[in-house]
Amino acid sequence: EVQLLESGGGLVQPGGSLRLSCAASGFTFSSYAMSWVRQAPGKGLAWVSAISTSGGGTFYADSVKGRFTISRDNSKNTLYLQMNSLRAEDTAVYYCAKETLNADWYFDLWGRGTLVTVSS
Amino acid sequence: DIQMTQSPSSLSASVGDRVTITCRASQSISSYLNWYQQKPGKAPKFLIYAASSLQSGVPSRFSGSGSGTDFTLTISSLQPEDFATYYCQQSYSTPPITFGQGTRLEIK
Repeated sequence: EVQLLESGGGLVQPGGSLRLSCAASGFTFSSYAMSWVRQAPGKGLAWVSAISTSGGGTFYADSVKGRFTISRDNSKNTLYLQMNSLRAEDTAVYYCAKETLNADWYFDLWGRGTLVTVSS
Repeated sequence: DIQMTQSPSSLSASVGDRVTITCRASQSISSYLNWYQQKPGKAPKFLIYAASSLQSGVPSRFSGSGSGTDFTLTISSLQPEDFATYYCQQSYSTPPITFGQGTRLEIK
């Protein structure tokens, strides 16, 4: 079955760190660019970060640039998001999302999400 | 960054109704416009790409149109499972990818 499964969310204090993972299965992970998209409680979708197939290209929303790092391990079929200096406004469900084969910057497969809560 | 604005923000309709949701871009995005459906507590589902191309497996009652700055998502005959929130997303000028704020479709 083609799927993405996020993990690593939880409660963290402001200024803390968290590492999210997204395990991919059912498709050739190394052939697809990937992104993280978040959704604050009761709010809309917001793109966070993207990574190319090889991992050589990484892109970030201004709101997380310098604090978050996206990476991937194609041998483990896993996408990561290292989140440092977390703020209350980073509280959200974080989804990993798979781009199409042409890397057209839209997403044909999403995970179920993992909740990150930043609070003291 | 390109801003995406959807209207209305919420909409009440009945099963069998024809519904149209509008998405407007702050500048021309050609046909680089995509649509997603999200149900409460669930991940978004990909519906339409390139403004009017239906993703495989999506019912034909869904259709998209538009180019430039103005786009529409139409559901020809609402079914009970269509009540959800719909998001547009531009993929013309990236990064960043930007989404509309969402349109919540509720049962009347």
